[in-house]
Amino acid sequence: GEDVEQSLFLSVREGDSSVINCTYTDSSSTYLYWYKQEPGAGLQLLTYIFSNMDMKQDQRLTVLLNKKDKHLSLRIADTQTGDSAIYFCAESGNTGTASKLTFGTGTRLQVTL
Amino acid sequence: DAGITQSPRHKVTETGTPVTLRCHQTENHRYMYWYRQDPGHGLRLIHYSYGVKDTDKGEVSDGYSVSRSKTEDFLLTLESATSSQTSVYFCAISEQTLYGYTFGSGTRLTVV
Repeated sequence: GEDVEQSLFLSVREGDSSVINCTYTDSSSTYLYWYKQEPGAGLQLLTYIFSNMDMKQDQRLTVLLNKKDKHLSLRIADTQTGDSAIYFCAESGNTGTASKLTFGTGTRLQVTL
Repeated sequence: DAGITQSPRHKVTETGTPVTLRCHQTENHRYMYWYRQDPGHGLRLIHYSYGVKDTDKGEVSDGYSVSRSKTEDFLLTLESATSSQTSVYFCAISEQTLYGYTFGSGTRLTVV
């Protein structure tokens, strides 16, 4: 079945850029997503990218997609302490009658002063 | 916040008892999902629904059943709770794949 992999932990200093990486196996995925989970809360959609795009920028967030290598990354510019959270990558697969997202294990981002 | 609520937020139950978790939405979205979140596993799909009375299994459906008798409610039942079902359970809703999911706040279930 589909598989999505992420590294478990990333630590960055406040003000630096963070890059969170994700690899996936389903080459037919139509959409890829990044979600953020703060402690004790559900997941919030941060951004998504369509599979025919290479890059998408949204304020401090930049998503890069390398479809050939099935690699997705999320760059957060000027990382702040409020960015400390778990970040999940997800892929949609080939969308059919029901969209079913497959999630990675999540990357815990720690922002230090 | 989007109109999706989960109840209860926390529950402790004994091994062997049945447990029902509720997900309620006010968005009239077609699709509803139950995931469980465990350390090292991320989120895994238990069951999902693509309409009233239309449900299907996800990757970790053993020991769970679901029902959707109304658009707004999706119930997850643990038929006979086991310690391996101790987890955080999330409900999500979706109308179109493009927009991803909206998640509830989760239910923390402990089976003792």
